[in-house]
Amino acid sequence: DGGITQSPKYLFRKEGQNVTLSCEQNLNHDAMYWYRQDPGQGLRLIYYSQIVNDFQKGDIAEGYSVSREKKESFPLTVTSAQKNPTAFYLCASSRRRQFNTEAFFGQGTRLTVV
Amino acid sequence: AQSVTQLDSHVSVSEGTPVLLRCNYSSSYSPSLFWYVQHPNKGLQLLLKYTSAATLVKGINGFEAEFKKSETSFHLTKPSAHMSDAAEYFCVVSSNAGGTSYGKLTFGQGTILTVHP
Repeated sequence: DGGITQSPKYLFRKEGQNVTLSCEQNLNHDAMYWYRQDPGQGLRLIYYSQIVNDFQKGDIAEGYSVSREKKESFPLTVTSAQKNPTAFYLCASSRRRQFNTEAFFGQGTRLTVV
Repeated sequence: AQSVTQLDSHVSVSEGTPVLLRCNYSSSYSPSLFWYVQHPNKGLQLLLKYTSAATLVKGINGFEAEFKKSETSFHLTKPSAHMSDAAEYFCVVSSNAGGTSYGKLTFGQGTILTVHP
């Protein structure tokens, strides 16, 4: 079955550590996205990528980094510079970044700082 | 610039009664609009989308939405609520503006739907 796989489902991070969230898709989509979700705030875009080896900052990129070495994969690193990383992180993909194209979402990773 | 306002943060209905989740949008260009549903600790699933074809859009699980340009609204409705409809719903607008905004999705704050037996 085609879809988007995020791992792990739950992740705990100590203060000062970097952690990497995995996102893999087998939908053959060109565009991939990372969103952060906090209660009552909807989803906010962290980074997006339209093609391999290219990515752009979203609205809240500070403290995060990404790579897009393969079409199928778009990992997100939450660095120690991110002051408030506890949140639910959602990866998404679409055939291309186009105004009338819907995005497909993974099941999310819940990150907690301990 | 574009924005989305979901007029109710919480909606509570009884099973078998109609559902109305309200969404107003603002967009400088002809928008595409989407409704997504999210069950607890899950990803988002597309319910339906409007992309400048028919103004009444039918989606999955009996949901539908009507695009009203004069009112800048895209309300989500369902004639009869089911217990399994309890979830959070997001109205989303997509930008047709140029440059880096093209294709950008802007999410509403979400509406939590509770369904009582």
